[in-house]
Amino acid sequence: QSALTQPASVSGSPGQSITISCTGTRSDVGDYNYVSWYQQHPGKAPKLIIFDVSNRPSGISSRFSGSKSGNTASLTISGLQAEDEADYYCNSYRRSSTLSWVFGGGTKLTVL
Amino acid sequence: EVQLVESGGGLVQPGRSLRLSCAASGFTFDDYAMHWVRQVPGKGLEWVSGISWNSDIIGYADSVKGRFTISRDNTKNSLYLQMNSLGPEDTALYYCAKEIRPIPQTGVDYWGQGALVSVSS
Repeated sequence: QSALTQPASVSGSPGQSITISCTGTRSDVGDYNYVSWYQQHPGKAPKLIIFDVSNRPSGISSRFSGSKSGNTASLTISGLQAEDEADYYCNSYRRSSTLSWVFGGGTKLTVL
Repeated sequence: EVQLVESGGGLVQPGRSLRLSCAASGFTFDDYAMHWVRQVPGKGLEWVSGISWNSDIIGYADSVKGRFTISRDNTKNSLYLQMNSLGPEDTALYYCAKEIRPIPQTGVDYWGQGALVSVSS
């Protein structure tokens, strides 16, 4: 099961916006709206920030938004803050003979 | 407050078995699907296995298929992962995670703190 493709790293200055891409195939991202995004700070468990492509769980800042076009999903963080510096992972349901999920390789966000 | 507490991790020799448990509280356990996700320290997340609320839908990553078995006991609010024929490549922190919905397809909204499994001779 090959992982979804994410850039290894992105960076931005406080107040700026950044976008992280997550590229899959027609068997996962392209065919299902079951894409989620997670934020993980060092030494901590991941935290859900987007589910079903563009929905935010309760308590998640509106600075985080998600979208999808074709086989690529995207996470946009606007108004970058120092505490946004973390690793970000995308995840998708994948069509298979049985239940199958796949994560992206992760993207390290650096706030300059 | 939702709590997921993993146990059963440790150091094990290659080829041996280990069983992870996850005790859930703070939510109606049998209303939700559950997952196991692992992470090698310093590396990315890898989905291991998922199970629906009633155990009717189960899936595994190719890397563990045929060696790992996921199960749940809704009467005990517990999730399990039986891991057989362990190899060094299975060394990781194993997270128990709660799915958003009864069917394991959407995403996980709560994670445990993880159980460390080390496979070495």
